[in-house]
Amino acid sequence: AQSVSQHNHHVILSEAASLELGCNYSYGGTVNLFWYVQYPGQHLQLLLKYFSGDPLVKGIKGFEAEFIKSKFSFNLRKPSVQWSDTAEYFCAVNVRDAGNMLTFGGGTRLMVKP
Amino acid sequence: EAGVAQSPRYKIIEKRQSVAFWCNPISGHATLYWYQQILGQGPKLLIQFQNNGVVDDSQLPKDRFSAERLKGVDSTLKIQPAKLEDSAVYLCASSLRYRGLVRVQETQYFGPGTRLLVL
Repeated sequence: AQSVSQHNHHVILSEAASLELGCNYSYGGTVNLFWYVQYPGQHLQLLLKYFSGDPLVKGIKGFEAEFIKSKFSFNLRKPSVQWSDTAEYFCAVNVRDAGNMLTFGGGTRLMVKP
Repeated sequence: EAGVAQSPRYKIIEKRQSVAFWCNPISGHATLYWYQQILGQGPKLLIQFQNNGVVDDSQLPKDRFSAERLKGVDSTLKIQPAKLEDSAVYLCASSLRYRGLVRVQETQYFGPGTRLLVL
């Protein structure tokens, strides 16, 4: 079975700082990769996804993620965070052609100081 | 387009009581999922439906949890009897469809969740 690790549980940044959140998965086959965000009091929303093609994926609100297959990683980045990016971020994977069930990481809680 | 609807939003019960949650997926979405999210953890899949059939319920504690999707649209998740460790947010998600026997790689859209506290 696949698993997902998010090594940073809590991150605190000042506005305009750059962000990188780590995500590593363990599975030897082909996977689809996702980043979801949960803003305070809101439901999980899709930030970006990777199914195939260009390993550098751009999502909403200036976020991007890079799939590095050799490192089993799908790190999330943003060059300059804003206070409104304060949220919890979840990395998730599913196994391609084996159902659509998502396996989530434990989440990273980001706080951006104004 | 309306999103995934869930009710109730909050529920407080005592252990050994029963509770039920309701989910209405996005219109036209054939696949429906229930996840359990314990505080401080990521969501964990409990059960997946394709129309009104179960695709995967391997992580559903079947001695106390049950779920149904009788008409292939709305779904209910029930816990009977509840335990303290069932305190969590129960998330419902939906995605579009399979095309015949071909699994379509689909994005899942999540509802607001039901926050359950078992005392």
